[in-house]
Amino acid sequence: DTEVTQTPKHLVMGMTNKKSLKCEQHMGHRAMYWYKQKAKKPPELMFVYSYEKLSINESVPSRFSPECPNSSLLNLHLHALQPEDSALYLCASSQDPGSSNQPQHFGDGTRLSIL
Amino acid sequence: AQSVTQLGSHVSVSEGALVLLRCNYSSSVPPYLFWYVQYPNQGLQLLLKYTSAATLVKGINGFEAEFKKSETSFHLTKPSAHMSDAAEYFCAVSDLPGTYKYIFGTGTRLKVLA
Repeated sequence: DTEVTQTPKHLVMGMTNKKSLKCEQHMGHRAMYWYKQKAKKPPELMFVYSYEKLSINESVPSRFSPECPNSSLLNLHLHALQPEDSALYLCASSQDPGSSNQPQHFGDGTRLSIL
Repeated sequence: AQSVTQLGSHVSVSEGALVLLRCNYSSSVPPYLFWYVQYPNQGLQLLLKYTSAATLVKGINGFEAEFKKSETSFHLTKPSAHMSDAAEYFCAVSDLPGTYKYIFGTGTRLKVLA
């Protein structure tokens, strides 16, 4: 069982819809991440939050909007997505922001399909 | 800049045979290295990590990896493959301190033959 919980597990949406992905961890980790993973590829970093503040945005289109309401929760708000945005979206957390030797712990992801 | 190379996008072994998955890195600073496994329709699960304490690192599910600085390698091994080991394996290196980033290899798909 993963300690990072993502909901929903699957999401199908049209290009004009607005939806949100949710991620939760109760390990006391202070860094949280969003990744996008296409089939047969490694995860690609999208955003990093450190102590609930956005610290990295990897030039992600504005149709993806992250939010960190508190130290345990991370949301990804979706609006006007494109078919090429269909992918597995993974959330991860790590204990100590800026400490490179701390492993990231991943959730099982949300499988997103854009119609 | 850091980088990771995983040789062999697909590896097939017989059940009970040795598993060897290769990972080479380049790093301008002492690296922190990680191996992850991804089963179908799941996220990434940490197998083991190297953080400069011991060069031979033991992980979960019988896997281990040896850090060889002279060869800039961190290969993953398991003495005897099990059918349940069939999955995608990713090697990752931490980017420069304070950047939070992983540099992932392209992954190796392990197939275990009965």
